[in-house]
Amino acid sequence: AQSVAQPEDQVNVAEGNPLTVKCTYSVSGNPYLFWYVQYPNRGLQFLLKYITGDNLVKGSYGFEAEFNKSQTSFHLKKPSALVSDSALYFCAVRTGGGNKLTFGTGTQLKVEL
Amino acid sequence: NAGVTQTPKFQVLKTGQSMTLQCAQDMNHEYMSWYRQDPGMGLRLIHYSVGAGITDQGEVPNGYNVSRSTTEDFPLRLLSAAPSQTSVYFCASSRGNYNEQFFGPGTRLTVL
Repeated sequence: AQSVAQPEDQVNVAEGNPLTVKCTYSVSGNPYLFWYVQYPNRGLQFLLKYITGDNLVKGSYGFEAEFNKSQTSFHLKKPSALVSDSALYFCAVRTGGGNKLTFGTGTQLKVEL
Repeated sequence: NAGVTQTPKFQVLKTGQSMTLQCAQDMNHEYMSWYRQDPGMGLRLIHYSVGAGITDQGEVPNGYNVSRSTTEDFPLRLLSAAPSQTSVYFCASSRGNYNEQFFGPGTRLTVL
């Protein structure tokens, strides 16, 4: 079965420092991976996706993600964190027709001054 | 474009009651999905649709029904509400495979 895992429930980082939110995947075949962000009391918003091609994917709001096939990882990164980046982040993998997604359990990112 | 809209925003039900959560999108997306979000469990797929007249079950379909009579609308029906269905429900739509999904603002449902 296709799945993703987010090993950290919460990540704390100081504003201006680089941030990483981790995601590992388990799929049969080619992985199609996504990152979404959820602000309090809002729906999810798309950040970026990996379908094929370059291992470094650039997305919205200055975020990027690195696809690593040997480590089966798709970590979300940002060079310089902002307090406004504080939110809940979800990694997801496409699991079948109809664009079905399986989500990780989410990582709460807290960026402090 | 309004995007994906959901009504109501909040709802409280008693055990055994039925209700319909509404979802509509104005982007002419063929794919639509319903998810529920529970603390520590991420989002889980309830039902999905690849076009008008076509629906299928997701990971947690029990206790829910859907139909898709038009491209725009994808209502979710709770047949006989149970406390285990207390959750936040999100509707999403997308255009074709491998594309990002657009999510509605959610419905927070409490079943007493």
